[in-house]
Amino acid sequence: KNEVEQSPQNLTAQEGEFITINCSYSVGISALHWLQQHPGGGIVSLFMLSSGKKKHGRLIATINIQEKHSSLHITASHPRDSAVYICAAATGGGADGLTFGKGTHLIIQP
Amino acid sequence: KAGVTQTPRYLIKTRGQQVTLSCSPISGHRSVSWYQQTPGQGLQFLFEYFSETQRNKGNFPGRFSGRQFSNSRSEMNVSTLELGDSALYLCASSLVRGGDTQYFGPGTRLTVL
Repeated sequence: KNEVEQSPQNLTAQEGEFITINCSYSVGISALHWLQQHPGGGIVSLFMLSSGKKKHGRLIATINIQEKHSSLHITASHPRDSAVYICAAATGGGADGLTFGKGTHLIIQP
Repeated sequence: KAGVTQTPRYLIKTRGQQVTLSCSPISGHRSVSWYQQTPGQGLQFLFEYFSETQRNKGNFPGRFSGRQFSNSRSEMNVSTLELGDSALYLCASSLVRGGDTQYFGPGTRLTVL
């Protein structure tokens, strides 16, 4: 069974700071997803990656397959980035579907 | 292109009742997955449907079931509701199954009294 651990659980930062959220998983995966959930419940898929690095605007996601670790970075953070960020591991169509981390609650203060 | 829609958005039921939730995926998407989100357990995978067949199932009791229709719309059913079934139920659709990018619906918030 895949275990997905996220850190930190909670993070409060000032506007403009560089943010890093970490995700570790225990077994081999086919892909790692990063999701963003705003108050009210809506979830948006930010990235899906299986190797290397992806960038979208101020968001960067990296994954190290050998170390079973992924990071989500936010550059020049803004209060609108305040949300819960969740990583999820896909085991390639196995019986477990997506396994989710507990999420990181990020607050960016102006 | 319209996003994933879920109905109803809110639902209040009492213990012992059953409930059916509906999910309409993005046009052209053939995979629909269902998830349960609670404050204690976070997000948990329920099941995945692709081409009207259940492909994966999470660790939930048999009271939780689902189906997918030929137009890819999906329903999930929970019978004999328990207080612990109170949760946000989310569905997500993707073009193909497995690790493809998932597009989430707004969720159905179920409260069991």
